Amino acid sequence: AQSVTQLDSQVPVFEEAPVELRCNYSSSVSVYLFWYVQYPNQGLQLLLKYLSGSTLVKGINGFEAEFNKSQTSFHLRKPSVHISDTAEYFCAVTRTTGGYQKVTFGTGTKLQVIP
Amino acid sequence: EAGVTQSPTHLIKTRGQQATLRCSPISGHTSVYWYQQALGLGLQFLLWYDEGEERNRGNFPPRFSGRQFPNYSSELNVNALELEDSALYLCASSPGEAGREQYFGPGTRLTVT
Repeated sequence: AQSVTQLDSQVPVFEEAPVELRCNYSSSVSVYLFWYVQYPNQGLQLLLKYLSGSTLVKGINGFEAEFNKSQTSFHLRKPSVHISDTAEYFCAVTRTTGGYQKVTFGTGTKLQVIP
Repeated sequence: EAGVTQSPTHLIKTRGQQATLRCSPISGHTSVYWYQQALGLGLQFLLWYDEGEERNRGNFPPRFSGRQFPNYSSELNVNALELEDSALYLCASSPGEAGREQYFGPGTRLTVT
């Protein structure tokens, strides 16, 4: 079975402060990991992805995430948030076994940046 | 390059009616995914089509169905609409290769009254 857990449904943070959005996953096989962002009344947009290689992945808008295999985590971080980062963030896991692809999204974390 | 497009943007139906939602993937993408995003319930996987075939479906009743056309565009049909079907329906496409990200459309807002 494959699952994704985003422990925090809402994260308030002051502008210019650092933020970490947590994502943990479970899977019995190797996976690919993604973070997406959804601005109000829009579809999802890819922030960053981990396929293989370096465990520290840099994405758009100054976000980065670190893949930790032993802790099965893929937490998203930004050293200094801006008002425009207010949005909902989704962690996703994809695995492919014998040509069969399964995608699982987390329940999302709403980031509220406070001026 | 044009992104994923969905139509209509908004759709209002009454309970018991049928709704048809459409999605055009990015050129060259063979996989299309459908998701339901209801208020407070996150993103729920509905259907996955690749190369014209249904590859997987989520935990939804059979009145949710769809198809993928030879040009890889897709249609989602919801029969016998219920009030709880009111949601944002998102379509995404991907090249179909392992590990590739999904590109999302802006969604169709379905309201059932």
